[in-house]
Amino acid sequence: DTAVSQTPKYLVTQMGNDKSIKCEQNLGHDTMYWYKQDSKKFLKIMFSYNNKELIINETVPNRFSPKSPDKAHLNLHINSLELGDSAVYFCASSRQGNLGLPFFGPGTRLTVL
Amino acid sequence: EDQVTQSPEALRLQEGESSSLNCSYTVSGLRGLFWYRQDPGKGPEFLFTLYSAGEEKEKERLKATLTKKESFLHITAPKPEDSATYLCAVGAQFGNEKLTFGTGTRLTIIP
Repeated sequence: DTAVSQTPKYLVTQMGNDKSIKCEQNLGHDTMYWYKQDSKKFLKIMFSYNNKELIINETVPNRFSPKSPDKAHLNLHINSLELGDSAVYFCASSRQGNLGLPFFGPGTRLTVL
Repeated sequence: EDQVTQSPEALRLQEGESSSLNCSYTVSGLRGLFWYRQDPGKGPEFLFTLYSAGEEKEKERLKATLTKKESFLHITAPKPEDSATYLCAVGAQFGNEKLTFGTGTRLTIIP
């Protein structure tokens, strides 16, 4: 199936730990994103990569570091997890310049205890 | 800064009872306004893109309209399977390609 996939779907961890979320898209898109959705369902962009190059970084703490090994992958590494990091993280992808047709992944629900 | 406000926050309708969801926006040059549907535990699913005031788009029981300050998502004779959270987002004409989302309207259709 052509899609945006994320792993894991659920992530429960202790404060202070380091964790990663992986994202892959097989749609042939140039641009990939990480969005964060809080408990009130507010969806806010964190990062955007185009052809492995960072183009959007929306005032996200340095503890969050995205990495794009190639056009089809965008991983999110989080250091020293805090309670406030608990949220659902969505990966998305779109063709360059084709704003509005991002395909979203199923999300990763991160719970920090 | 771009802003999107959706109302109501939640809406319960009887099956077949038509209604509208509102999305008010402020943006420094609208590149596009987007509607998404989100089911529980899933990612947002793209519905419509509107680019200019006066534009309308339809898909099954849904119709999206756009003015210079707001967009409406009209739902006609809804069915229980239309229950979901509907998200509105705007993209600005200048700058990067991010979307600014509203907090959504949680729609429940009662059989």
